[in-house]
Formats: sequence, C-alpha cells, structure tokens
Amino acid sequence: EPEVTQTPSHQVTQMGQEVILRCVPISNHLYFYWYRQILGQKVEFLVSFYNNEISEKSEIFDDQFSVERPDGSNFTLKIRSTKLEDSAMYFCASRKEGRRTEAFFGQGTRLTVV
Amino acid sequence: GESVGLHLPTLSVQEGDNSIINCAYSNSASDYFIWYKQESGKGPQFIIDIRSNMDKRQGQRVTVLLNKTVKHLSLQIAATQPGDSAVYFCAENWLGNQFYFGTGTSLTVIP
Repeated sequence: EPEVTQTPSHQVTQMGQEVILRCVPISNHLYFYWYRQILGQKVEFLVSFYNNEISEKSEIFDDQFSVERPDGSNFTLKIRSTKLEDSAMYFCASRKEGRRTEAFFGQGTRLTVV
Repeated sequence: GESVGLHLPTLSVQEGDNSIINCAYSNSASDYFIWYKQESGKGPQFIIDIRSNMDKRQGQRVTVLLNKTVKHLSLQIAATQPGDSAVYFCAENWLGNQFYFGTGTSLTVIP
C-alpha cells in the first residue's frame, strides 16, 4: 500500500541552526501539507502546497519556515533558525485531490531543539 | 493562546464493548470531516470520513455520525479490541484544503 515517508525519524539540532525535514508524498498525489504536533497537544496546520506553490499557510508558518518541492518526489520543510519552541513532531501529508478527500500522513519527524 | 500540556479527554472500555468517541467541531461552514487514529509515536491514520450532506456513514467496525445542528461528530467502534487503544482526532475541512484537528480523545481498551 502506498504511503507517505518522512526522514529523518528524529532530528536533534542546536538552537539557531537550520534544519530540513524531508517527505516523499504518495506518487500520484497533488496536494501536500506540513503539520506539527507539540508534545501532548493537538495537530496544527502549518502549510499546504499545490501546483508548486504555497496555497495556504497558518500564522505559525512565519518567515523562518519555507517549503520546497525540489524534484518530482520530495517535499521539504526548512526551518532557518530553529528555536526551542520549534521542538515538536512534524508530519507531512498528501492528498490525491483537493477538498473533501482523505489526507494520508507520514510517520513524522521528531525535532528536538537544544 | 493555547495551554501547555493539554489534557486529553479519556475513555476506558472493556475489550468487546462498543466505544463512542465524541467531537465538537468549530466551524458551521465545515463540509467534510475525517476521524484519525494516532498511536504513540506515529502519524495520524485515516479511519473514516463523512461529507456534510450525510448524517451517518459506516465502515468496518466503525460508524461516524454527524449532527450539523449542534456541530457534533461521533465515532462508534464496535467490539473494541486492544489494538484500538490510541488517541482519536476528528478533523474538519472548510473553504481551503487544510484540515483543522480537534483536541483528541485517548481511548484505552482494557483486556
């Protein structure tokens, strides 16, 4: 069964460093998302991406964040200068179509900023 | 702002019993809903979805009920098994393409 894959599973970084989280969405999907989940809290929307551009973003997704689809398979989330409060699970998701269809999530990357 | 260390509602059921997990969604304009299951250390896993033009949808061992009048969703799990132990989130979709997740409910199945 096709699945969304994310790497690495766990990333530890020093405050102020840049990190890139990687995702390979399901191959025939067109809509891509990043969500995050701070420990013990609910899953929060960060950004959606369609047709090689950001379609929506939340207020969490400030200038420190960026997304890219550098080739036909990868979808990345970059945090330029990490802060302690960026520590969370980051989930990538993809959907075949737009609204009113299910989104499939990856297993997540646990980001720990020290 | 959001509180730190959010306390999840919890539900404990005996193995074999039916479970009902409730969710109050936030936006009356939401027209599509999904229930996700999240096991510890894993990503949300799709269980079942429902569109706003329906009030009930059944899957394998699961049923989702939608009451738009009171903005309420429920997930019924029949014959609950230990493998059903997880956190369950409802997610709503309106206007754009992203989902907004609810707080979640922690289900524990007692063998």
